[in-house]
Amino acid sequence: NAGVTQTPKFQVLKTGQSMTLQCAQDMNHEYMSWYRQDPGMGLRLIHYSVGAGITDQGEVPNGYNVSRSTTEDFPLRLLSAAPSQTSVYFCASSYRGRGEQFFGPGTRLTVL
Amino acid sequence: KNEVEQSPQNLTAQEGEFITINCSYSVGISALHWLQQHPGGGIVSLFMLSSGKKKHGRLIATINIQEKHSSLHITASHPRDSAVYICAVRYEAGAGHNTDKLIFGTGTRLQVFP
Repeated sequence: NAGVTQTPKFQVLKTGQSMTLQCAQDMNHEYMSWYRQDPGMGLRLIHYSVGAGITDQGEVPNGYNVSRSTTEDFPLRLLSAAPSQTSVYFCASSYRGRGEQFFGPGTRLTVL
Repeated sequence: KNEVEQSPQNLTAQEGEFITINCSYSVGISALHWLQQHPGGGIVSLFMLSSGKKKHGRLIATINIQEKHSSLHITASHPRDSAVYICAVRYEAGAGHNTDKLIFGTGTRLQVFP
C-alpha cells in the first residue's frame, strides 16, 4: 500500500494564481481531511469529508474548495492564492474518522 | 486559551534519559492521539487512547480522563527520538461539538543529544 500520497511536495505561486493540491489514499478510508500547519500553531482543519460526495468545512475554510468524487481522492483547490495561504498542507485519512490517522508527506506552499 | 495545551514547548535531553511530555485539555473527549513529526516533516500516529495506558517499544502513553491529562513517556531516549510530538483530541458526543474533528496542540519539540 502507498498509504496517503500528496502532490506536489513543493509549490511557489504568485498572488492570484489558482492551483490544486492532490491527495489520494489506497486504504479504502471513508474519512479524509486537509490541514494547514503554520509556525507556532497547531494543525488546523481546512475541510474534511466523511465519504464520497460528502464534504464539510473545518476551522479555516476560506479561500479553499474541496470535492470528493471518489473514496480515494480528495483534492484541495486554491481559487486565488494569497500570501496568507503560505503554509505546509497535510492530507490525512482514517477509517470512519474515529481511528488512527494516516498523514500524507505534506505540501510546502509559498505564495509571493 | 487553546483547548489543548502541551508542555514543555521545547525539551532537550541527553541520550538515555527518561522523557515526559504532557498534554492537558479542557473539553470532554472520546479519544486522544499522540503523533510524531520528524524534522523531514512527515507525521506519524503513535497512539490513540481513551483510557488507561498503552505501550509500544520505548514509548508509553497514559491518560487520566477525570483530570483531563495525558502523558507521553520515552524511556532510554535516543537521538533518533528527536522530533516534534503532537497531542490531539476528539470531542465526545453531545454539547454541540463536532465529533469528526481533531483539535491539535502546538507540539513539543524534543532534541536528544548523544
